[in-house]
Amino acid sequence: GAVVSQHPSRVICKSGTSVKIECRSLDFQATTMFWYRQFPKQSLMLMATSNEGSKATYEQGVEKDKFLINHASLTLSTLTVTSAHPEDSSFYICSARDRARGYTEAFFGQGTRLTVV
Amino acid sequence: QKEVEQDPGPLSVPEGAIVSLNCTYSNSAFQYFMWYRQYSRKGPELLMYTYSSGNKEDGRFTAQVDKSSKYISLFIRDSQPSDSATYLCAMDHGANSKLTFGKGITLSVRP
Repeated sequence: GAVVSQHPSRVICKSGTSVKIECRSLDFQATTMFWYRQFPKQSLMLMATSNEGSKATYEQGVEKDKFLINHASLTLSTLTVTSAHPEDSSFYICSARDRARGYTEAFFGQGTRLTVV
Repeated sequence: QKEVEQDPGPLSVPEGAIVSLNCTYSNSAFQYFMWYRQYSRKGPELLMYTYSSGNKEDGRFTAQVDKSSKYISLFIRDSQPSDSATYLCAMDHGANSKLTFGKGITLSVRP
């Protein structure tokens, strides 16, 4: 399957600071990437859809000014959590689909565990 | 009614058992169906992907889709302790659209 790499895998930051998470498709091109959030023992919740070269589409209830998404190339999308607070502590996961495969299967990164102290 | 309903867990079986995991959905527009396995503190790993009614087999795993009943299943044969994980069903409306997930079920395979 295609490989999606996410970095960092774990980050601890102080309240009020910003954190950037990178999502890369290593062996394929992805015009669209998806950012999810997952709380303990819960399923994945879609936060936003990241589109290469254009603005991201946010799901209802997700603050676009707090969760900044940039999709500058066909292999890289970034999620920046701005002015992080303890309630932003969560597991963030990105997903992408391979254009060459017709955007069928969705592959996920390994996730980033964010802890805001 | 939620778009995707997944049988609640947790589920505990002895090693070697056949496991059946199920999801139902309400939106007939769903076209692609996936099963993911997620180990603790890791991203979901794609196990099976199907887009038509019927069965698809891959090693010990069989995915079944019944679009007329809006029902999908994942069967695991000869279950192993390494299969212990959370299993999520997911589906979407078409290529490159967002996925809708089931809540997930935690499976434990006892040695």
